Formats: sequence, structure tokens, C-alpha cells
Amino acid sequence: KAGVTQTPRYLIKTRGQQVTLSCSPISGHRSVSWYQQTPGQGLQFLFEYFSETQRNKGNFPGRFSGRQFSNSRSEMNVSTLELGDSALYLCASSPSSSFLALNGEQYFGPGTRLTVT
Amino acid sequence: GQQVMQIPQYQHVQEGEDFTTYCNSSTTLSNIQWYKQRPGGHPVFLIQLVKSGEVKKQKRLTFQFGEAKKNSSLHITATQTTDVGTYFCAGTRGSTLGRLYFGRGTQLTVWP
Repeated sequence: KAGVTQTPRYLIKTRGQQVTLSCSPISGHRSVSWYQQTPGQGLQFLFEYFSETQRNKGNFPGRFSGRQFSNSRSEMNVSTLELGDSALYLCASSPSSSFLALNGEQYFGPGTRLTVT
Repeated sequence: GQQVMQIPQYQHVQEGEDFTTYCNSSTTLSNIQWYKQRPGGHPVFLIQLVKSGEVKKQKRLTFQFGEAKKNSSLHITATQTTDVGTYFCAGTRGSTLGRLYFGRGTQLTVWP
């Protein structure tokens, strides 16, 4: 099976702009999670979707949003970019069997490296 | 606040020495997972533990889940330079769907 793919891999934006990142999960995985990774903060949970429904959300401002499509592909959007949004954004898919199932193992994509100048 | 604490944050060892990282949660976990992230890479799933007191081995790696399901450890015997990377633990809680609680990771450096 193909792994998790993320596009684009690298992105440079200026403050105030918005950005959309894309994630294609492993075929058959209905759970997709997003994380922000910075050297000082480790892996910060953004949100998780299962079959197009957001099941959980981390403590990020409303500028960070996401969605999941019927084919399980997911996007996250960051509006009004700030310098502090520079980070590696990781997407992970998981073979959770149902909406009420706890997350199993996560398969991470290579990430999108976002630089805000 | 941090739901899962992981120590140490950094560990430098000589090749051949052992290494252990510890993970502690303030609440009972339904399962604990371990991941490894090589420099410049993304986290890769290593193993999942579900049962109280469970111990699993993968070659030189030994994973333990505490009896109370609040702590876990990863022990590497006789480290090799290929073990370099950051090791993360991540737990799920039965009351919380759709989320893993990640520790901040232990960055392991192995000197030849």
C-alpha cells in the first residue's frame, strides 16, 4: 500500500497570508490527524477527523482549521499567518475501525515544512 | 498542560551502552504507543501496548506498560549508531476519542 502523502512538501509564505495543506491517507484509513512540530514544542495536536467528522481538536486558535472529504483526504488551512506558525506540519492516518474506536497506530506522512517570513 | 511526561529530554550514550526513556501519565491510559523519528524524518510507529504489565520485545528494544497503565518505558540494549533519533511515547484515554497524547520525546545521540 502507498504511504501517507502530503503536499506541498515545502512552502514559504509571508505574514498575513493564508495557506492550505493537503494530506492523502493510506487507502482504507478513515482517521486523519494533524500535528504541528517545532523544535521547542514537540508534536502539538491540531485536530483529528474520522469519516468527515472532527472528533477532537487541540488548543490552537481559530485561524487553524481543517476538513476531511468523503475519500478520506484531508486539508488544513491556516489563515492570517504569523511568524510563529513556521513549523513542520505532519499528517497521520490510522486504521480506526469505527467512530467510537480509539486511535490505533498512526502512520505519518513526510510533512509540509512551512516557513513564514 | 502536558498530559504525558517523558524523560529524559536528551540522552547521549557511547555505542554499546544501554538507553532507557520513561513515559508517565497523570491519568490511566487505554494503550501506549511508541514512535521513532530519525533526524530529518517523520515519526514511525514502533509498537503498541494495551495490557497492564505488558512487556514486548523487538530485537534490542524492550517496551513495558506499567501495572497501573500510567507509565511506560522503552529500553534499548547495546545501542548502535542506527538507534539515533527521537523516541516518542503516545497514549490514548478511553474517555477521549480521536486523540493521542504525545510525550515531548527523548532525543538519543549515539557516539561511535
